[in-house]
Amino acid sequence: SLVLTQPPSVSVAPGQTARLTCGGNTIGPNSVHWYQHKPGQAPVLVVFDTNDRPSGTPERFSGSNSGTTATLTVIRVEAGDEAVYYCQVWDTHSDHPGVFGGGTKLTVL
Amino acid sequence: EVQLVESGGGLVKPGGSLRLSCAVSGVTFNTLSMNWVRQAPGKGLEWVSFISRSGSDIYYADSVRGRFTIARDNANNSLFLQMNSLRAEDTAVYYCASFITVFGVVSAAMDVWGKGTTVTVSA
Repeated sequence: SLVLTQPPSVSVAPGQTARLTCGGNTIGPNSVHWYQHKPGQAPVLVVFDTNDRPSGTPERFSGSNSGTTATLTVIRVEAGDEAVYYCQVWDTHSDHPGVFGGGTKLTVL
Repeated sequence: EVQLVESGGGLVKPGGSLRLSCAVSGVTFNTLSMNWVRQAPGKGLEWVSFISRSGSDIYYADSVRGRFTIARDNANNSLFLQMNSLRAEDTAVYYCASFITVFGVVSAAMDVWGKGTTVTVSA
């Protein structure tokens, strides 16, 4: 079954660019979705279908997919972006289709 | 505005049962495909279960299949998760979440979440 691998942590200075990766053995054909999760709050969808943004997500957030690795890019990082970010895929070939990555803690230095 | 409110969490002994509810407002409920997602203490998000708009399609994570049952009541705008044979590893915050719909097309991304309800399984 599909396994999504995320690095545990990424650190960037304010104003710099953060690139959060999500690797999977068969990620290629699937749409990838990204969530921002802050302590004590519900997760927030920031990118869906690999590179679309819900209304309310700043344009500083964007997504891409090389076929084996999906990437969430955050430009001009702000202190408020500090959170854990999860990638997620819906594996239509599985009888347990919902798959989350392990999450990456983005620390703003 | 779509709102999801979970309830039914609490402390239960191993082997016990709980029924979680998710009340949905601000939308015609039968237009939403729904999920349960949980987060154990110190762990990441884990998808638990899915139910389609009509209830005809249902999926479970391997970790809960055979013990948990998802259901919905479209007439009363409610989603449920019946949890039986609970284990310590089921201790988590449980969220209900709906799939996003854009221009009538459903995407398997969860754009509305409740605040969660806490389930603790302990003797």
